[in-house]
Amino acid sequence: AQKVTQAQTEISVVEKEDVTLDCVYETRDTTYYLFWYKQPPSGELVFLIRRNSFDEQNEISGRYSWNFQKSTSSFNFTITASQVVDSAVYFCALRFPSGGYNKLIFGAGTRLAVHP
Amino acid sequence: DVKVTQSSRYLVKRTGEKVFLECVQDMDHENMFWYRQDPGLGLRLIYFSYDVKMKEKGDIPEGYSVSREKKERFSLILESASTNQTSMYLCASSRGLTTRFGSGTRLTVV
Repeated sequence: AQKVTQAQTEISVVEKEDVTLDCVYETRDTTYYLFWYKQPPSGELVFLIRRNSFDEQNEISGRYSWNFQKSTSSFNFTITASQVVDSAVYFCALRFPSGGYNKLIFGAGTRLAVHP
Repeated sequence: DVKVTQSSRYLVKRTGEKVFLECVQDMDHENMFWYRQDPGLGLRLIYFSYDVKMKEKGDIPEGYSVSREKKERFSLILESASTNQTSMYLCASSRGLTTRFGSGTRLTVV
């Protein structure tokens, strides 16, 4: 089965707190890609990061960081010193390089609310 | 600025109506997709197309059909709208590892 699980439905934090969004995936394939997207109130999904299954290096981009661990099939996303503008729904997604025409398999999403 | 454009942001239709949701992309992408987004379920794939006049069913195609007569345009059709099709519909296009999304159409069927 190919599946993405985001167990946290909603998270509420106060500005400047750090917050981690969890993502666990299931696949038997050895080659795949993982993504994180942000959906602000405007509705359009905004690409944040892509990771391939052979690259387990953690990534940091400003206040955002990602922790990819194949051993636990997890690809978690941390926002450091959260800001109100980070309020959005965040989706983790899985994709396979061959066949499927670039179909993305999404998790249920985590709604993050950052309060002043 | 390259984009995926969905013709309507909000739409209200009556049960039994035939509904067309339109999507246009200006990036010359081969692949186009229609997703449905519901709370707690994430985005679920309805249909996708990998070329003009080609289409493939996604995970939840029942009650929907699609049309792709031109590369840049992908239409989602609800032949006879029902209240359980009230949802947010997102169109996307892709080439390689890049996928771009539209802003969504929030459809309410009354």
